[in-house]
Amino acid sequence: NAGVTQTPKFQVLKTGQSMTLQCAQDMNHEYMSWYRQDPGMGLRLIHYSVGAGITDQGEVPNGYNVSRSTTEDFPLRLLSAAPSQTSVYFCASSPGTGGFTEAFFGQGTRLTVV
Amino acid sequence: SQQGEEDPQALSIQEGENATMNCSYKTSINNLQWYRQNSGRGLVHLILIRSNEREKHSGRLRVTLDTSKKSSSLLITASRAADTASYFCATANYGGATNKLIFGTGTLLAVQP
Repeated sequence: NAGVTQTPKFQVLKTGQSMTLQCAQDMNHEYMSWYRQDPGMGLRLIHYSVGAGITDQGEVPNGYNVSRSTTEDFPLRLLSAAPSQTSVYFCASSPGTGGFTEAFFGQGTRLTVV
Repeated sequence: SQQGEEDPQALSIQEGENATMNCSYKTSINNLQWYRQNSGRGLVHLILIRSNEREKHSGRLRVTLDTSKKSSSLLITASRAADTASYFCATANYGGATNKLIFGTGTLLAVQP
């Protein structure tokens, strides 16, 4: 059972480039989310989805887009990378929105924007 | 701004001692959860306490919740070197237009052997 899989693990981008961070889960979870983690800031919610076709903004959505065409996948797109987006990105999934039980996390993508 | 703030930011103890971490939050919640993160890894769920519960135990973990003070604490008893990690509280708000799990800033725990 793979759980939550994020790719790539590491990425270096130049300012202005775009890219997509991939996230896939094989647990049939309804809820998926993206966080960024910066030193001293904990995890901040970027976007989340309560099911296929439904997405919403979190605490820090600017500069990021998401879509949820299937239950399994929840990609995060950086439209025009900026140095301020240098961070570690985590994808998470949870069983349902009727009541959060626990979130399962991927191993993270370390992104550097130069 | 983030929902949860944790105190202390860093804690260093000896093996066998107890470790207590505190979490304060700002808005009403459905439940509060604690997670652990080893350096450079993803977060792992430890324990969940619902808003109508006051205390919960799981192995060496004890969590309390005071909704009137909007605060929670995590106690790790008889700590081990392997408990060295960052610990985060997370508040869950769901139902209606809101479905969010918001994390605090974390406590870095170092357990000296």
